Amino acid sequence: DAGITQSPRYKITETGRQVTLMCHQTWSHSYMFWYRQDLGHGLRLIYYSAAADITDKGEVSDGYVVSRSKTENFPLTLESATRSQTSVYFCASIRTGAATEAFFGQGTRLTVV
Amino acid sequence: QKEVEQDPGPLSVPEGAIVSLNCTYSNSAFQYFMWYRQYSRKGPELLMYTYSSGNKEDGRFTAQVDKSSKYISLFIRDSQPSDSATYLCAMKLEDKVIFGPGTSLSVIP
Repeated sequence: DAGITQSPRYKITETGRQVTLMCHQTWSHSYMFWYRQDLGHGLRLIYYSAAADITDKGEVSDGYVVSRSKTENFPLTLESATRSQTSVYFCASIRTGAATEAFFGQGTRLTVV
Repeated sequence: QKEVEQDPGPLSVPEGAIVSLNCTYSNSAFQYFMWYRQYSRKGPELLMYTYSSGNKEDGRFTAQVDKSSKYISLFIRDSQPSDSATYLCAMKLEDKVIFGPGTSLSVIP
């Protein structure tokens, strides 16, 4: 099915562990984004990527790492999970820089205990 | 100061009411202005977008942008219970899309 999918949908991990959230899109959109959504803060940009092998930090990038070796995949890694990283994570894509509509995945609910 | 500010609500209105949702922003370089709607436990979906000052209408929804005041609004006429959701304003600058914190809206039958 065409679209943008995130996995896993739910994840519980322990403090200090490394965890990777996956994002895959089937449209070959150039731009991809990772956001976290917390009550009172809305969607905050973690990282974004304009193309394969091109990534840039967003507003809240500390503690996160991304890679984009292929256009369709944009995994987000928490190097050493902390309780403050408990959140709902959304991946999104935009076709080109001129496009305005961002398509979102269903989100990954991550709990760090 | 945050780049995009939005009254978080929650906002509760009776069915049929006119709803006004607002955002202010600080960066005059923002190029596109969007409104997204997010239902519970779902990803946001684009509702409307505009790139110039003025009004844009789509059915019961009107998006308004005032670049001189750095202020955007979304009006919902004849609100319905199905409009109950979180509404996020968003602004695009080059490669980045920046979202406001969202306003939670409940339309009571």
